[in-house]
Amino acid sequence: DTAVSQTPKYLVTQMGNDKSIKCEQNLGHDTMYWYKQDSKKFLKIMFSYNNKELIINETVPNRFSPKSPDKAHLNLHINSLELGDSAVYFCASSQDSWGWDEQYFGPGTRLTVT
Amino acid sequence: AQSVTQLGSHVSVSEGALVLLRCNYSSSVPPYLFWYVQYPNQGLQLLLKYTSAATLVKGINGFEAEFKKSETSFHLTKPSAHMSDAAEYFCAVSGAGGTSYGKLTFGQGTILTVHP
Repeated sequence: DTAVSQTPKYLVTQMGNDKSIKCEQNLGHDTMYWYKQDSKKFLKIMFSYNNKELIINETVPNRFSPKSPDKAHLNLHINSLELGDSAVYFCASSQDSWGWDEQYFGPGTRLTVT
Repeated sequence: AQSVTQLGSHVSVSEGALVLLRCNYSSSVPPYLFWYVQYPNQGLQLLLKYTSAATLVKGINGFEAEFKKSETSFHLTKPSAHMSDAAEYFCAVSGAGGTSYGKLTFGQGTILTVHP
C-alpha cells in the first residue's frame, strides 16, 4: 500500500497550458506539502496545508494554486505553464506542522514544459 | 532565517570504507536536523533526525550523525559503505519558531558513489 501517491508520474505539456497534479496520503497525517526540485536537485518548499488550511505559502507565482479538498488530498494546479516550471514536484505529508516530525514523500511528478 | 550547506556535491568511496557526508546549518532558533536519502527516480526517505535529545543520532541502514552546536554541524557517517548506499543525500533543517516554524529547508544534496 503506497503511503503517499502522486498522479501523474510524468507530465509533458506545452507552454501556456494549465495542468494539475494530484496527491493522496493514506497515513492519516494532518499536514501535507508541495516541494519543487529543480534540475540541479535543489529542493524547495512551495506550500503546506494543515487540516485543509494553508499554513506555508512561499514566494511562488500565483499561477500555482494548491487545493486541499480533505486532509488526505492536496492537489496542485498550475496555470499558464512556463519553461521554468519544468521540474520534479514532490508531495509529502507529516503528522504535525511544527517541523520536527518526519515527512513522508511521494515518488514525484516530473513536469516537462516544451 | 535558516539555511543548510552541504560540503561536497559528490563523494566517492570504496565498498567497506568510511562514509562521511558533511552538513553545516544556520538557524536563529534551536534547530531540528534531518538527513534524507533519495534513490534514483524515487522520493526522499528519512535516514535520521535530531530533535534536541541525544546529540549522537542513530538512523536506518547503519548511518549515524552527531549534532555539534559549537560547530553548527550535523555530519552523516557510516563505518562501512555498501554498494546499496549509492544515492543522493540531503541534509535539512527546521526551526522551532519564528519565521522558520514548520518549514523544512534542504541543502543542495551530496551524491554518494560506492566503488567495488
